[in-house]
Formats: sequence, structure tokens, C-alpha cells
Amino acid sequence: EAQVTQNPRYLITVTGKKLTVTCSQNMNHEYMSWYRQDPGLGLRQIYYSMNVEVTDKGDVPEGYKVSRKEKRNFPLILESPSPNQTSLYFCASSLSTELYNEQFFGPGTRLTVL
Amino acid sequence: GQNIDQPTEMTATEGAIVQINCTYQTSGFNGLFWYQQHAGEAPTFLSYNVLDGLEEKGRFSSFLSRSKGYSYLLLKELQMKDSASYLCAVLDSNYQLIWGAGTKLIIKP
Repeated sequence: EAQVTQNPRYLITVTGKKLTVTCSQNMNHEYMSWYRQDPGLGLRQIYYSMNVEVTDKGDVPEGYKVSRKEKRNFPLILESPSPNQTSLYFCASSLSTELYNEQFFGPGTRLTVL
Repeated sequence: GQNIDQPTEMTATEGAIVQINCTYQTSGFNGLFWYQQHAGEAPTFLSYNVLDGLEEKGRFSSFLSRSKGYSYLLLKELQMKDSASYLCAVLDSNYQLIWGAGTKLIIKP
């Protein structure tokens, strides 16, 4: 089944404790992206990747890191989480961005930073 | 700056028709997407418009006017399961998706 998977789905952590949210897609998609979603603000892009070893900042990259060592995986790293990073996070992928291509979203990771 | 406007919330009755509007101001235009998102779940693709006019897909239709920077999503024969948020997103000249904040649609029996 074609899908985007994220882990963990739910995470409660404390300020300053490094964490990684994994994202994997099995559709051989070139483009992958991380979003956060907060009430009233809609989806805001954190980082995106056009292909392996190519990553770029989105609208709200501060406090986050990403890597794209393999085409299928795009982990999101919070080196020192803070309470303002409490949010619902979505990973998404699409075949490319230069042609019409819908984005496929993972199920989301609900993160709480105490 | 780039901006996408949608109503925050709308209410409609089961069996009726509802139109959700989206206006945009972006740096270039390479298409407009509509996504549906049920509470706590991931967004799922509904439609894509890049040329002016109406695209119909079952009970859902999407309209685009590029000259007016305007789109709408039309939902017919509303069902309770259509209660969700509807997200408008524009692909700009750099092929980046600009997202609206979404419209929460409440369906009443």
C-alpha cells in the first residue's frame, strides 16, 4: 500500500530533550516536506527536500533540523525542544513539485513539550 | 507578501449545497489545490485547478478565476461525513505551496 508513515504518533517530552520524528514514504517520491499545524494558523512549512541530499528552509525552520540521506526517509530533528514547539506535525511527499502533483500526508505526530 | 483568505467557519444543513470561497495573492501561480481534513487526521487531496473554469468530481466541484485570484469549492448533497476543514493552497512561481488557514465546515442534521 502506497503511504507515508510517521513515528511516533504521539509524544510528550520535556524542554531540552532531543527528539527525532521519523518519516518514510514508499512511493519513490522526490519531494518531501514537514509541516506544523496550529489552531487558526493552518499548515506552515518547516523544511522541504527536492531530492536526496537537497534540503531547504520553509517558513518556520527555527529550532528544527532535517536530513535526506535516502529518498524514502526524511526525519525531523528537534535538538532542544521548547514548549512553543508543541504542535501537530505532518510529513508529506509528492512525485515532484514542478508538475501537478498532489501531496500525500502522513498520519501526523502530536508533540507536547512540557 | 503572499496571502490566502478563507472563511474560518461555515455551517450548512445535511442535504444542502455549500460554497467555500478562497481568495489569494501570491508571487506567481502554478495551480490551486483543495484538501479535506477531518479533525485530528491528515489532509487528503480533493482537487487541483490550473485553468479557469469549473472542475466537477462527483458531489464536489472546484472553480477557478485566475484574473480575480479566486476559487471556490462547491459541495452538493451534503452528508454528515462532510463535516471537516477544507484547506485551499496555491502553488506559487517557485513551486512552493502556500496554505490558507482552512475553513471548518459544520453540517447539521
